[in-house]
Amino acid sequence: AQKVTQAQTEISVVEKEDVTLDCVYETRDTTYYLFWYKQPPSGELVFLIRRNSFDEQNEISGRYSWNFQKSTSSFNFTITASQVVDSAVYFCALSAGAAGNKLTFGGGTRVLVKP
Amino acid sequence: DTGVSQDPRHKITKRGQNVTFRCDPISEHNRLYWYRQTLGQGPEFLTYFQNEAQLEKSRLLSDRFSAERPKGSFSTLEIQRTEQGDSAMYLCASSESRARDDEQFFGPGTRLTVL
Repeated sequence: AQKVTQAQTEISVVEKEDVTLDCVYETRDTTYYLFWYKQPPSGELVFLIRRNSFDEQNEISGRYSWNFQKSTSSFNFTITASQVVDSAVYFCALSAGAAGNKLTFGGGTRVLVKP
Repeated sequence: DTGVSQDPRHKITKRGQNVTFRCDPISEHNRLYWYRQTLGQGPEFLTYFQNEAQLEKSRLLSDRFSAERPKGSFSTLEIQRTEQGDSAMYLCASSESRARDDEQFFGPGTRLTVL
């Protein structure tokens, strides 16, 4: 069985501050994929990134960066210089075996960026 | 490409009534997934199809729930004899298993309220 834990339920920051969202996962599979999705107030889940278990290279995309550490089973997400538009719920998710398999989601972290 | 669409977007029903939701995936995608999201939680997997075959069903999918994808294109999710505990957002996603990047793309969801 797979499990994803997002210990932070809500984070509030002031615009331009950095914010890091934690994600810890559990799986017995050696091949798995990790994802981050954003859910803005409109409700639609927006795909942000996918990493596979064999690629621990960190990634940066604009103001977003991800830190994948197999040793601690973590896949953390940092928003640099946060903006009000970043306010949303962010979900970490895992699929075991193949990227197209069912997703197991964490409980989500609500990020509130104040102007 | 208009993305994944779901209909209706909102449904209010009385306990004991039957409801049916529709999902139209991205046109070239052969996989279609249903998830349920209750307030303040992450989405939970219900079932998924590859073409018209239903390949996996969660234990969350009680006998009152049935999903179909008769021609491998759109899918329907029916809930019979609705209960208040069925109130949730029902999310549909699709992916292309033969693509290198086979991540799931989500629709806007159908919010069900059972009175």
